[in-house]
Amino acid sequence: AQSVAQPEDQVNVAEGNPLTVKCTYSVSGNPYLFWYVQYPNRGLQFLLKYITGDNLVKGSYGFEAEFNKSQTSFHLKKPSALVSDSALYFCADLTILTGGGNKLTFGTGTQLKVEL
Amino acid sequence: KAGVTQTPRYLIKTRGQQVTLSCSPISGHRSVSWYQQTPGQGLQFLFEYFSETQRNKGNFPGRFSGRQFSNSRSEMNVSTLELGDSALYLCASSLRVGMNTEAFFGQGTRLTVV
Repeated sequence: AQSVAQPEDQVNVAEGNPLTVKCTYSVSGNPYLFWYVQYPNRGLQFLLKYITGDNLVKGSYGFEAEFNKSQTSFHLKKPSALVSDSALYFCADLTILTGGGNKLTFGTGTQLKVEL
Repeated sequence: KAGVTQTPRYLIKTRGQQVTLSCSPISGHRSVSWYQQTPGQGLQFLFEYFSETQRNKGNFPGRFSGRQFSNSRSEMNVSTLELGDSALYLCASSLRVGMNTEAFFGQGTRLTVV
């Protein structure tokens, strides 16, 4: 079964410091990986995706993620955190279904808290 | 360009009642998916529609159903509500299906069953 894991429920970082939110995957075949962010009482916002190609993917709001096949990881990173980055972050795997559609399988989420 | 619109934003229902939630996708998007978000189970796939056809359904009981109209708008219905159905229900639309597309989510409908 396709799955992604986010080993940390919460990550705390000081503003201006680099941040990393971890994600590992367990999929058969090629993984199609996504990062989404959720602010309180809001839906999910797309940050970036890895389908194929360069292992370093750049996304919205200065975020990037590195796909590492040997470690089956897709960690989200940002060189300098902002207080406004505080939110709930989800890693997800896209599964192409036999019915012709697809679905996202989400990790459990990591709460990022950026402090002054 | 308008985003995905879900109505209503908040809903309170009593056990045993039924509820209908609405989702208007981004203009031109033909694929609509629904997800349930709860503190205990996280985000779980409910179903996916494309061109008015439900192509896939997650592991939910038959009380959960939905449909898609010719204008791509979608509704989901939950009958005989249970306390455990309290959740944030998220709708997502995609321009196309396949791997190289991202889903755009609405703000969700917060359903509380009392």
